Amino acid sequence: YELTQPPSVSVSPGQTASITCSGDKLGERSASWYQQKPGQSPVLVIFQDTKRPSGIPERFSASKSGNTATLTISGTQAMDEADYYCQAWDSSTLFGGGTKLTVL
Amino acid sequence: QVQLQESGPGLVKPSETLSLICTVSGASISRYYWSWIRQPAGKGLEWIGRISTSVRPNSNPSLKSRVTMSLDTPKNRFSLNLSSVTAADTAVYYCARVGGSTNFGWYFDIWGRGTLVTVSS
Repeated sequence: YELTQPPSVSVSPGQTASITCSGDKLGERSASWYQQKPGQSPVLVIFQDTKRPSGIPERFSASKSGNTATLTISGTQAMDEADYYCQAWDSSTLFGGGTKLTVL
Repeated sequence: QVQLQESGPGLVKPSETLSLICTVSGASISRYYWSWIRQPAGKGLEWIGRISTSVRPNSNPSLKSRVTMSLDTPKNRFSLNLSSVTAADTAVYYCARVGGSTNFGWYFDIWGRGTLVTVSS
């Protein structure tokens, strides 16, 4: 069981960025998303498929269709440039390989 | 404000045991699940294991035979032992609080700053 993410995504400032996460059983499990900036710990930005923790900007949202979860960042800002990881819990927990978001 | 702080040796020799402690402030470790996660330099996140006072610890099948975790409730901290280490175990090790539930999914809502452990002779 694996979670597959694109290695990289590029977006222009102010545009919408979408990062996907696919896995055979993902439709049966809730997905979470983490943002990690260089030299920092990961930060939870989405949990249980679509919920946003307090303090996370509204421009971060997520959805899931079938076995693919999608993190969407609307009005992307330079500060959003980071690595993003999806995560799901089966009998143990898995992380996707990570996606480097570049804001050009 | 909940805070987690990892501590332990930054250098471990091959074949020895890596031992780390995560000290928790602002929350009782008896009330939550806790996890260890690691990240080799330039690579992705790897879950190591989960522990709580209410269920038996469980760990990543790829590491299970080498992982031991325990709780120290009087000191509000938990620990990780990883035996028979090799260079492949060199990574930043994070401790994290686990949020959620079995029915609605688990996630890691609070992370420590991480500690780099290098395996080298």
